[in-house]
Amino acid sequence: GAVVSQHPSRVICKSGTSVKIECRSLDFQATTMFWYRQFPKQSLMLMATSNEGSKATYEQGVEKDKFLINHASLTLSTLTVTSAHPEDSSFYICSATGLAGATDTQYFGPGTRLTVL
Amino acid sequence: KQEVTQIPAALSVPEGENLVLNCSFTDSAIYNLQWFRQDHGKGLTSLLLIQSSQREQTSGRLNASLDKSSGRSTLYIAASQPGDSATYLCAVMKTSYDKVIFGPGTSLSVIP
Repeated sequence: GAVVSQHPSRVICKSGTSVKIECRSLDFQATTMFWYRQFPKQSLMLMATSNEGSKATYEQGVEKDKFLINHASLTLSTLTVTSAHPEDSSFYICSATGLAGATDTQYFGPGTRLTVL
Repeated sequence: KQEVTQIPAALSVPEGENLVLNCSFTDSAIYNLQWFRQDHGKGLTSLLLIQSSQREQTSGRLNASLDKSSGRSTLYIAASQPGDSATYLCAVMKTSYDKVIFGPGTSLSVIP
């Protein structure tokens, strides 16, 4: 099946710094990527939808200036958490869908655990 | 707005028991339904995917059913093992390129 990778898998940073998380589709072209967030003991919640070459669409309550998403190519989307604070500590997971007819579902990355001190 | 619920929230069973996890969704217009497993602190592992036109899918000791009209799905685990201990998430998609909406999960503990 299709593979989606994320880098880094784990990051610890100081409050006020920015952190970039990469999501890559390794063996297929992803026209759409999704970014989810999971707080401890909670389920995954969609943050934003990222389409290659266009601006991301953010879910209600998600600050677009704080969570910058770039989908510059068909295999890479990045999420940058700007001026991170402890409340941003969470598990971030991306997923990707392929070109028309290429896939029936989304393929999920392994996740990135962010801890902000 | 699609909402997904799962019952029970937590379940503890002795090894060897058969068990059923339940998932309900409010909007029956779905493209597919998927069951995931998530080990503590880890990412998602896809277990079974049921297309909207299908009634069930099976993989090893796992069987997932889908009743789209009633907005329900069940995940049946036969002969449970301690290694099955994890959180099980149910998720639905409205279209093939839409977001996935997750349920809150069922935390399963299988006691040796």
